[in-house]
Amino acid sequence: DVKVTQSSRYLVKRTGEKVFLECVQDMDHENMFWYRQDPGLGLRLIYFSYDVKMKEKGDIPEGYSVSREKKERFSLILESASTNQTSMYLCASMGAAGASAYEQYFGPGTRLTVT
Amino acid sequence: GQNIDQPTEMTATEGAIVQINCTYQTSGFNGLFWYQQHAGEAPTFLSYNVLDGLEEKGRFSSFLSRSKGYSYLLLKELQMKDSASYLCAATDNYGQNFVFGPGTRLSVLP
Repeated sequence: DVKVTQSSRYLVKRTGEKVFLECVQDMDHENMFWYRQDPGLGLRLIYFSYDVKMKEKGDIPEGYSVSREKKERFSLILESASTNQTSMYLCASMGAAGASAYEQYFGPGTRLTVT
Repeated sequence: GQNIDQPTEMTATEGAIVQINCTYQTSGFNGLFWYQQHAGEAPTFLSYNVLDGLEEKGRFSSFLSRSKGYSYLLLKELQMKDSASYLCAATDNYGQNFVFGPGTRLSVLP
């Protein structure tokens, strides 16, 4: 089974803090994604990466950055957390070919609260 | 850009059939995905359509019309455990930039 893990299920941070959200997948997938999910707005793509050290902006990249130094790990960074970044953050991975191509596998999510 | 629309809520009875519609407007399009998300859990993949027509997978089927920008998810023989949100998503020409609709919350009643 594909496993996507996220570093924390719940996180509380103060405004202005730097926040790191880590995501690790164990299926050697090329593609990894970071989303946030808010009531009434659905899932919105923040950034995705299709290879190590490669990244592409999604719909809402402002206020976020990402890092992909190793194939299995994709980090989301909030340089200076703000209250409007309080949300559920979901990481996903997806293969580029074969049986897992086009199937995104999601991690359990990190509920971040910024106070 | 891309815009995806689906009903907010639907209700159906156990054992019945329900169809959840999704319309999309895109500047580039590769394929249409459906995900299921139970409350408090992560989404799980249900189906993927890239060509026009119906894809059947057990009790669930998904249909796509590229010319009409329209898809639906058909759930047969509804069970209580099918109560969940169903998310429609489209990808761009490269199949990587996912845009999700707001989700349809389905309640299955006994």
